[in-house]
Amino acid sequence: AQKVTQAQTEISVVEKEDVTLDCVYETRDTTYYLFWYKQPPSGELVFLIRRNSFDEQNEISGRYSWNFQKSTSSFNFTITASQVVDSAVYFCALSSSGGGADGLTFGKGTHLIIQP
Amino acid sequence: DAGVIQSPRHEVTEMGQEVTLRCKPISGHDYLFWYRQTMMRGLELLIYFNNNVPIDDSGMPEDRFSAKMPNASFSTLKIQPSEPRDSAVYFCASSFLIGRQAFFGQGTRLTVV
Repeated sequence: AQKVTQAQTEISVVEKEDVTLDCVYETRDTTYYLFWYKQPPSGELVFLIRRNSFDEQNEISGRYSWNFQKSTSSFNFTITASQVVDSAVYFCALSSSGGGADGLTFGKGTHLIIQP
Repeated sequence: DAGVIQSPRHEVTEMGQEVTLRCKPISGHDYLFWYRQTMMRGLELLIYFNNNVPIDDSGMPEDRFSAKMPNASFSTLKIQPSEPRDSAVYFCASSFLIGRQAFFGQGTRLTVV
């Protein structure tokens, strides 16, 4: 069975601070995909990034960066110089391409609050 | 493409009534997923289709829930009879391949009173 753990239920920081959201996953598959989605107060789910299990290169996109470490089964997300508009719930998710092929297994989400 | 389209956006119904949620996936996407979001359980996969065929419905909570995909451009999730504990946001998503980015609809907020 697959599992995604986001231990931080809620994080509150002041604008311009850096913040890291943790994600730990469990899977028995050797081929899998990791995702981060953002859910702003309006409720939609916005795709942020996808990473496959064979690509451990870290990625940076503007103020966002992701650190994928297979050795610790973690896929952490860092926002640099946070802004109020970053306030949202962030979900880490896992998908496998095993024989049964399934959809996304989501973590419980981290509610990020950026205070002005 | 307009993205994944769900209707209605909001639904309020009385316990015992039948509820039908609708989804139009992105054209060309072979996979369609139904998810449910609640405070207690978070985001859960209910069922998914590949080329209109249901592949895994193990997440469907009870026989009161059923889903169909009569063609590549339309899917329904039906709850009959509805119960207050079915109140949740139901998301439909589609993707080109398993493991690829899933595009989500705006969701249907269902309230059963």
